[in-house]
Amino acid sequence: EPEVTQTPSHQVTQMGQEVILRCVPISNHLYFYWYRQILGQKVEFLVSFYNNEISEKSEIFDDQFSVERPDGSNFTLKIRSTKLEDSAMYFCASPRTGGSYNEQFFGPGTRLTVL
Amino acid sequence: AQKVTQAQTEISVVEKEDVTLDCVYETRDTTYYLFWYKQPPSGELVFLIRRNSFDEQNEISGRYSWNFQKSTSSFNFTITASQVVDSAVYFCALSEASGSARQLTFGSGTQLTVLP
Repeated sequence: EPEVTQTPSHQVTQMGQEVILRCVPISNHLYFYWYRQILGQKVEFLVSFYNNEISEKSEIFDDQFSVERPDGSNFTLKIRSTKLEDSAMYFCASPRTGGSYNEQFFGPGTRLTVL
Repeated sequence: AQKVTQAQTEISVVEKEDVTLDCVYETRDTTYYLFWYKQPPSGELVFLIRRNSFDEQNEISGRYSWNFQKSTSSFNFTITASQVVDSAVYFCALSEASGSARQLTFGSGTQLTVLP
């Protein structure tokens, strides 16, 4: 089973601070996604990234968010000035090798706590 | 716009009972994909199944089975002879083929508790 990895598993930060969440997607893939899940709620799409640029983004993905693929393997989500309501689990996802890119496999998630 | 509804917020059953989790979806696309994911207490999202809109055959995988009915826009999930390890939140999701990103739209999830 192909694996998506994410670091850190848990990040605690103060309101107003910048955080960077990291993901190592399935290798050789072109499509990557970030999703967010506020505690006890549903999983929500944030942004998709294809061929080193944003493909689509949701209303949640405002100017405070940015994504990058800085070195060809890592895929990062940056929140510039965190707010209390940014506290959530953040999942990176990547499609299965050789399959439809609809079939997304998720990393274990990063739990972000903003104090 | 696409939408997924899981009307059952919580379900509790006793071990070995069968349980069906409901999922109703809305989409304007004629080609789309439906999914079920499991989220155990540890928090990760585990892929269970993908279904294409043009394939209405029901599927069985061990104790799991899925009933896809386009006429009612439903994609229900049944666990036969439930076990305590099945306790988790189950999410139904939809992806439209027309979108360039094909992101997943999730339902709000059903918390399944299987009691020993």
